[in-house]
Amino acid sequence: DSGVTQTPKHLITATGQRVTLRCSPRSGDLSVYWYQQSLDQGLQFLIQYYNGEERAKGNILERFSAQQFPDLHSELNLSSLELGDSALYFCASSVLAGNSYNEQFFGPGTRLTVL
Amino acid sequence: DAKTTQPTSMDCAEGRAANLPCNHSTISGNEYVYWYRQIHSQGPQYIIHGLKNNETNEMASLIITEDRKSSTLILPHATLRDTAVYYCIVIPNYGQNFVFGPGTRLSVLP
Repeated sequence: DSGVTQTPKHLITATGQRVTLRCSPRSGDLSVYWYQQSLDQGLQFLIQYYNGEERAKGNILERFSAQQFPDLHSELNLSSLELGDSALYFCASSVLAGNSYNEQFFGPGTRLTVL
Repeated sequence: DAKTTQPTSMDCAEGRAANLPCNHSTISGNEYVYWYRQIHSQGPQYIIHGLKNNETNEMASLIITEDRKSSTLILPHATLRDTAVYYCIVIPNYGQNFVFGPGTRLSVLP
């Protein structure tokens, strides 16, 4: 158990809909990362937040957005869903003190199925 | 981030050492080598990381060549539970984002 929690575990929805995925980082971790893993793309970094502020952006679509709240939990919002958005979505957290790099601890993921 | 090259797949007999190679010939002086693994569809799990010196922890050993252009992850006594995809990642010590390649699919056989 990494200490990172994600809800829900599974989500089934229809094209055009909007969903919210939630992540609670490990206690004390200030940084949250979101990754998408689909069958044909592998693990892709989407976005990172550090202490409530966006820190880095990866291959995140404009239909997707995220935020980190004062209690450090994070939400990933996916809208106008398409079949190709079906994937595993992982959240990770790290301490990221100052400019030092720390290993990331991954949650169990949310499996999104768009029908 | 520096690019890494890993074999697509490897087999290892249960109880034997699994040696997983990684090439990172364009690595810079301030870049670390990290190893993660992903068992089935679970979240990736941190294994070990290093800069120049060889490293060992309770899970594995990491051997980095003197020129730092390649490294080997060693699982000393592989078990069936070590069957997973292993990712080698190179990242600066101030970097924030992992770039995951396809990794090596290790199958531990009984």
